[in-house]
Amino acid sequence: DIQMTQSPSSLSASVGDRVTITCRASQSISSYLNWYQQKPGKAPKLLIYAASSLQSGVPSRFSGSGSGTDFTLTISSLQPEDFATYYCQQSYSTPIFTFGPGTKVDIK
Amino acid sequence: QVQLVQSGAEVKKPGASVKVSCKASGYTFTSYYMHWVRQAPGQGLEWMGIINPSGGSTSYAQKFQGRVTMTRDTSTSTVYMELSSLRSEDTAVYYCAREVFGVVHWFDPWGQGTLVTVSS
Repeated sequence: DIQMTQSPSSLSASVGDRVTITCRASQSISSYLNWYQQKPGKAPKLLIYAASSLQSGVPSRFSGSGSGTDFTLTISSLQPEDFATYYCQQSYSTPIFTFGPGTKVDIK
Repeated sequence: QVQLVQSGAEVKKPGASVKVSCKASGYTFTSYYMHWVRQAPGQGLEWMGIINPSGGSTSYAQKFQGRVTMTRDTSTSTVYMELSSLRSEDTAVYYCAREVFGVVHWFDPWGQGTLVTVSS
């Protein structure tokens, strides 16, 4: 099975900061990588699919990059509504869609 | 708009079974696979399995094999997830999520979640 890791597991940042989250797959997954945002008590929400494609309606301050085994999610200027937990997900080994353990972004 | 609406919270005793429903609307029900994902309190997302609403075929995570059953009712555009032999570690929020396939595959949208509490 493909294992996903994320770093850091949590981070503290201020409004306006540039934030980068890393996701690594245990084997090459090409660009079969998605990012989700989850706020407390809510369902996850798709942010980015295919490693770098922004889902409709998602602010352009979010961006994704990478291919193979190493991926990043970047928030260019952190806004108050961005404080949440972010998960990566591989969709290479369908139908098994493994998630990373998550990265919690909170207020510094 | 595309929407997934799940059934309400459940409280079950250890050893019992629970059946959670997920009603789809706003799209052709049989054209998209549906997944179930759970999240224990304070923990991450765990993939449980998939059902093809068209033919009813399923695939389950090895961890849940023998305990989980996913079914669907095309007349009501509803999928179901039944988990048996419940234990305290099954306390979690259970989500359904529609699989979308384009260049890659992703989940969108998700249901609102159903809290299942297992307690004696």
